[in-house]
Amino acid sequence: GDSVTQMEGPVTLSEEAFLTINCTYTATGYPSLFWYVQYPGEGLQLLLKATKADDKGSNKGFEATYRKETTSFHLEKGSVQVSDSAVYFCALSISGGYQKVTFGTGTKLQVIP
Amino acid sequence: NAGVTQTPKFQVLKTGQSMTLQCAQDMNHEYMSWYRQDPGMGLRLIHYSVGAGITDQGEVPNGYNVSRSTTEDFPLRLLSAAPSQTSVYFCASSYSSPGAKPNEQFFGPGTRLTVL
Repeated sequence: GDSVTQMEGPVTLSEEAFLTINCTYTATGYPSLFWYVQYPGEGLQLLLKATKADDKGSNKGFEATYRKETTSFHLEKGSVQVSDSAVYFCALSISGGYQKVTFGTGTKLQVIP
Repeated sequence: NAGVTQTPKFQVLKTGQSMTLQCAQDMNHEYMSWYRQDPGMGLRLIHYSVGAGITDQGEVPNGYNVSRSTTEDFPLRLLSAAPSQTSVYFCASSYSSPGAKPNEQFFGPGTRLTVL
């Protein structure tokens, strides 16, 4: 079946540090890939997405590139802020029918001043 | 435009009690889903619906029932609560576009349920 593996957390960084959160996937079809973010006490919200190989999704300074050859979709940001502290979920979905979403287990990021 | 709303935000139940978690969306989305979020396990799909009158089971459906009588509402019923159902529950919706790439899901704020 489909699955998403992302790096264990928590990740603690100082403000302005570089962020990478690794995500790899296995899928039976050709998936679309997503990063969702969950701020404390809130539901998940879409951060960025990519729908085909070599696409780069970007939003709020975050980027991720769909790498079909390595089945990866790593999240990066050049300079994190305290306000980026949240839990980040990598996810995939296959076209067709209901389009079930498979989520990773989430990576908690804490940014300290 | 309220998006996806859930009630209640918090709930404490005793083992064996029943309750309904409410979910509503005002975006006219066809697809709606219920997830539970547990530490170290990400989000797991409980039930989903592709339109009014159509529901199906997800990964972890046991102990839960759903119905979808309108496009807007998708309540989740716990028939006889058990401590294993202590979790945070999220409702989500998305619009359908047959033949197109998957769309983003819009999530509600969640219901934190404790079963004693």
